[in-house]
Amino acid sequence: DAGITQSPRHKVTETGTPVTLRCHQTENHRYMYWYRQDPGHGLRLIHYSYGVKDTDKGEVSDGYSVSRSKTEDFLLTLESATSSQTSVYFCAIGQTYEQYFGPGTRLTVT
Amino acid sequence: TQLLEQSPQFLSIQEGENLTVYCNSSSVFSSLQWYRQEPGEGPVLLVTVVTGGEVKKLKRLTFQFGDARKDSSLHITAAQPGDTGLYLCAGFYGGSQGNLIFGKGTKLSVKP
Repeated sequence: DAGITQSPRHKVTETGTPVTLRCHQTENHRYMYWYRQDPGHGLRLIHYSYGVKDTDKGEVSDGYSVSRSKTEDFLLTLESATSSQTSVYFCAIGQTYEQYFGPGTRLTVT
Repeated sequence: TQLLEQSPQFLSIQEGENLTVYCNSSSVFSSLQWYRQEPGEGPVLLVTVVTGGEVKKLKRLTFQFGDARKDSSLHITAAQPGDTGLYLCAGFYGGSQGNLIFGKGTKLSVKP
């Protein structure tokens, strides 16, 4: 199994509060991704990174920011959480033809 | 906008039956992947196909990429309860690493 961990695994937060999710990899892979998975929508890309300090937007980036200060860590921040951001968030590493996913973070915004 | 349509959305069968799941698009993809996801876990890569007409076999699973690289199918022979899960296809349409889209998935239940 690819060495990918996500923290926290579950979080409940209130509308308007900032939230940061962490993805940590031990594979030294260049590319890292954040997805959200929602019923009826499948997996959708939020942001991805192609190196330290190099990031780009995905399909559903509004309301999210990311940072990558070290190869092994990719952070996803919700500056002011909204109920529409209640979802399961997955981190992945790898090339587009071969991605490996973390176990996910279930986020509930009340 | 690139779209990947998966069918059927839900499939419930008995152990030992055969089944086929489809992934279709009007767009051409450079490569296509199939993943399986179990409840509470992240998707796990099963296979990647890159050549039009390509067929790959993984034990009882057979994956095919359409000749025009717009569609793919996953066939399972003699399904077992351990095959239960959400099957996702994902297509890469070239360019940046962000150009990978996922279908909504087929939820398979295999009953003993």
